[in-house]
Amino acid sequence: RKEVEQDPGPFNVPEGATVAFNCTYSNSASQSFFWYRQDCRKEPKLLMSVYSSGNEDGRFTAQLNRASQYISLLIRDSKLSDSATYLCVVNFGNQFYFGTGTSLTVIP
Amino acid sequence: DAGVIQSPRHEVTEMGQEVTLRCKPISGHNSLFWYRQTMMRGLELLIYFNNNVPIDDSGMPEDRFSAKMPNASFSTLKIQPSEPRDSAVYFCASTRTSGKPYEQYFGPGTRLTVT
Repeated sequence: RKEVEQDPGPFNVPEGATVAFNCTYSNSASQSFFWYRQDCRKEPKLLMSVYSSGNEDGRFTAQLNRASQYISLLIRDSKLSDSATYLCVVNFGNQFYFGTGTSLTVIP
Repeated sequence: DAGVIQSPRHEVTEMGQEVTLRCKPISGHNSLFWYRQTMMRGLELLIYFNNNVPIDDSGMPEDRFSAKMPNASFSTLKIQPSEPRDSAVYFCASTRTSGKPYEQYFGPGTRLTVT
């Protein structure tokens, strides 16, 4: 069983739409959680850390459900520039476990 | 602040040649990670160091791969001899393991092509 699982998509949504990604993790003792964004032929870049109480950064909202062991990312009012692959990342000890990513394309 | 620095950005080499990839982590970060990314296998952890000491190298594919971290500001990943199946993007990442959360920052990667 993989440490972190994500729906690979692709998600194709019109501009202005709201889109949500979910991610599940297997280790209940996982300590920190993140969403990364990766553009084509670029490195993964930290989008946001995910806190137990949930957190928001502009149009992006991240939620953590420890009981069900899943993390979510909500993007409101999608922009063309949001098109990318979104990676769910879970930290345990010094190890980071990456999901395979969810591909998003925002269509004009 | 300078981010994680990797060199070279692109490397094209022939099968059998030695390849050395270089990484300078963010100053003050004490953990360094080497990853490999391909379309087929996604992002794979090869090895990571904590305070310059290799902690987990279970992801290193085989003995042809070796990694060193002689000091806190430099690491190398060496492939000798290289093979076409080693073609991939190799990322280096670093993090600080004090305070939470342990946010990991990636370098721009080295795109390796072995012909």
